[in-house]
Formats: sequence, C-alpha cells, structure tokens
Amino acid sequence: DADVTQTPRNRITKTGKRIMLECSQTKGHDRMYWYRQDPGLGLRLIYYSFDVKDINKGEISDGYSVSRQAQAKFSLSLESAIPNQTALYFCATSGVTSVLTDTQYFGPGTRLTVL
Amino acid sequence: GEDVEQSLFLSVREGDSSVINCTYTDSSSTYLYWYKQEPGAGLQLLTYIFSNMDMKQDQRLTVLLNKKDKHLSLRIADTQTGDSAIYFCAESTMMNSGGYQKVTFGIGTKLQVIP
Repeated sequence: DADVTQTPRNRITKTGKRIMLECSQTKGHDRMYWYRQDPGLGLRLIYYSFDVKDINKGEISDGYSVSRQAQAKFSLSLESAIPNQTALYFCATSGVTSVLTDTQYFGPGTRLTVL
Repeated sequence: GEDVEQSLFLSVREGDSSVINCTYTDSSSTYLYWYKQEPGAGLQLLTYIFSNMDMKQDQRLTVLLNKKDKHLSLRIADTQTGDSAIYFCAESTMMNSGGYQKVTFGIGTKLQVIP
C-alpha cells in the first residue's frame, strides 16, 4: 500500500551494529505496528503504538526499541543486531478513519540480514 | 489464547477453484480477514468478514465462516496465475482495555497456480 512506506527496503548489516528501520504513513491513522515475518512462523508483533504518547510491547519485543516521532512516523531500532534478527519487517497502520476500525494496512516491508 | 492455523501449501491448475482453509480458537473474534502477499511485497487486505456473518462474496472471492467450528475458508473461482501468492488468515479480538483490536495471523498458505 503506497500510503505506508518503509525505509530502507533492504539492509545488510553486521552483528553488534545499531540499525533503525523507518515507517511513514499518509493514511491519517493513529495506530501503528511493527511485525517481523519469518518462514513457517507467520507474522509476530514486536511493538505497537496507539498514539504519539502510547507505546506497547508486543509478543517479541526483546532486542528491539521503538520511537513514535509523530503521528505519521514510527521507527524500529535494533540496538545491537544479532543474526537471529534476520527477517522481513513490516510496518502496519490502523485507525478509526478505516471503514473497519482497526483494519491493518501494511507497508512493503524491509528485508534485514544480520551477518 | 488466540491461535490461527492454516495449511502451508496448496497447488491448483489454472481455471480451477482454490479453497484455502483456516481454523481459529478465539470464539470472541470480531472480524476475520484474508490478506494476500505477493513475492517481495507487503500484505494486502483481500477481504474480510464480520463474525456474525456466514458468507461474503466479492467477485471471484467467496468467504465462508462456520462460527460453531471456528473455521474460515477463502474460495477463489477461476484461479489465475496472478493469484499465486501467500494468503494469510487473521482474526481480530477486542482486548480488555483501550478499545484495541488484537490481530492474530496464521502462518500463511502458499498458493501455486499451475498454467
């Protein structure tokens, strides 16, 4: 969905490096999410945010942190990347402006490889 | 807790119908979704059904919901090669606080369409 953008689209880094993945949306949604996708495991929720002042941990938050800089921006950081954080990362948004409240709309994903 | 299960793989011939199945555990689900993920892309909302409905039809797509058995299916009529993708089933459940709808995804069914 072009209304949700993620940068970078691909990133290769080394163990121990700090990495930031960024997400921006123009949908006017108040809620934003970060997921990771691994083969055979589907999507798992890392963090979610209801608004700028509200940040919540998801099921696999260890090793990650987030920042909600504005309603439209939600970034995910890996403070010290490790190889098992190699995955496809998705940002999603939802909000009461949706036809269905809380239907989530996804960005194109960031493929992260940690060597 | 919430759990969504679906088979990993389905292969059909072009022109045939495809049926992708999903089971879920939470009887208090509010909405159930089907998302489509094409190679290298994010998840695209394909269709949805409200939990008090039995069926929904949208062009070539038919969603059937058996709430008693907690079974959801997606039927694609006249399957085309462009339908080749991974299809994710998801359920949303109202959490106790904040009006947040937690969305739980299945691991995805890879649909292969043989010309």
